[in-house]
Formats: sequence, C-alpha cells, structure tokens
Amino acid sequence: SQQGEEDPQALSIQEGENATMNCSYKTSINNLQWYRQNSGRGLVHLILIRSNEREKHSGRLRVTLDTSKKSSSLLITASRAADTASYFCATAAGVRGKLQFGAGTQVVVTP
Amino acid sequence: DAGITQSPRHKVTETGTPVTLRCHQTENHRYMYWYRQDPGHGLRLIHYSYGVKDTDKGEVSDGYSVSRSKTEDFLLTLESATSSQTSVYFCAINPGQTNTEAFFGQGTRLTVV
Repeated sequence: SQQGEEDPQALSIQEGENATMNCSYKTSINNLQWYRQNSGRGLVHLILIRSNEREKHSGRLRVTLDTSKKSSSLLITASRAADTASYFCATAAGVRGKLQFGAGTQVVVTP
Repeated sequence: DAGITQSPRHKVTETGTPVTLRCHQTENHRYMYWYRQDPGHGLRLIHYSYGVKDTDKGEVSDGYSVSRSKTEDFLLTLESATSSQTSVYFCAINPGQTNTEAFFGQGTRLTVV
C-alpha cells in the first residue's frame, strides 16, 4: 500500500511560474522527504523535513509539513525548464530508514 | 554522486529463468534497499538489509530473495521470473541514522518476456 498520495498527478507550467505539489500520508512518521527523478534516471534527494519541523527551505524549494493533517507541500519558485521531472514524496518511520513513496507528480516546465 | 552502482542496467529474460541483479556501494553504508518502480505506484520496497547477512522483507517481497555477504554488495534474485516482475529496479543506500536521506542507483530495467 502507498503511504503517500500526491496531488496533482501532473502539472504543466511556464518558466518563471511557481509549482506547488502536495503529499498526504496515513501513519506517524519520523520525517518526510522529497525526491526528483528525471526521465530514465535514478532518484535524487531534494529535501528532508523532520516530524517536529513545520517548514524548510533549500534554494528555490520550500517544503511545509502539517503533521496534524498528515500532509506536506513542495513549492518550487521561479521554475526553470531544467525542473521538468517527476517529484516524489516519501515518508520514513521506524529506525531502519525504509521509505514509502507516493505515486509522484510529473512536472513539465515550458520555456 | 554517491558511490552506488547497479548491474546490469538493462536485461531481457524469459519467463521461468532465474535473474540476479547486483547493487554495489563504496560508501560503507549500513542499510541497503531494493525497490521496484511501476507506473502509477511510485516505488515499492521489495527487501532491505540492515547489515551483513541481515535482511528483511518489504511490502512486495513475493517471488524475490536477497543476499548480502559483504557490506558493499546487495543482490536481488528472481528465482523464476514472471511477466509481472517486468519493472525498473532501484537500489538505495542509507548510512543508518534516523533522519538521513537515501541515495539511489541509476536503476535496472528488467523485461520478462
């Protein structure tokens, strides 16, 4: 079963616009992570937010976490064509680092 | 890039044949994982290892076995491949502390015909 559910499934925007995607999950977590996957490639870690954190920034990325609603959002500001990729949220619980992934959001940024 | 290598990168095999995928890391990380990626499902955990000779099942472990005889190598074996095991397989590593990120390999595209 998937822990994370992502919304929207697909997103098409123009360069310079912001992209927002959401992730909901079902059980208690230690942290929530966001990964990016370019077509045909492996996953690249973007940002990790711990369960006791509410917001985190990294460059053009902003992640929020609301544990009461069991939801997170990823905002990419001033998007670029190079941001075209699939974005996955993943939750971690327990001590062995196992991740449960959502189905992902496919983002297309048009020049 | 983290030192993690998967081999082979692509493989086509026939139904009923055994297949072994290899994951090799140079980071000396304690934890290693095998995931499969299918359209509409994200990544799902097959098996993972928390040390040499220490392995456990993930959510989709049926039809798969693993072995870890050295810290750096984690093998995934399909004992008798089926068409439902056609997928992209990813290996990941993690140093083992809570709240640390995982590093992923480039993936192995397996087609079972």
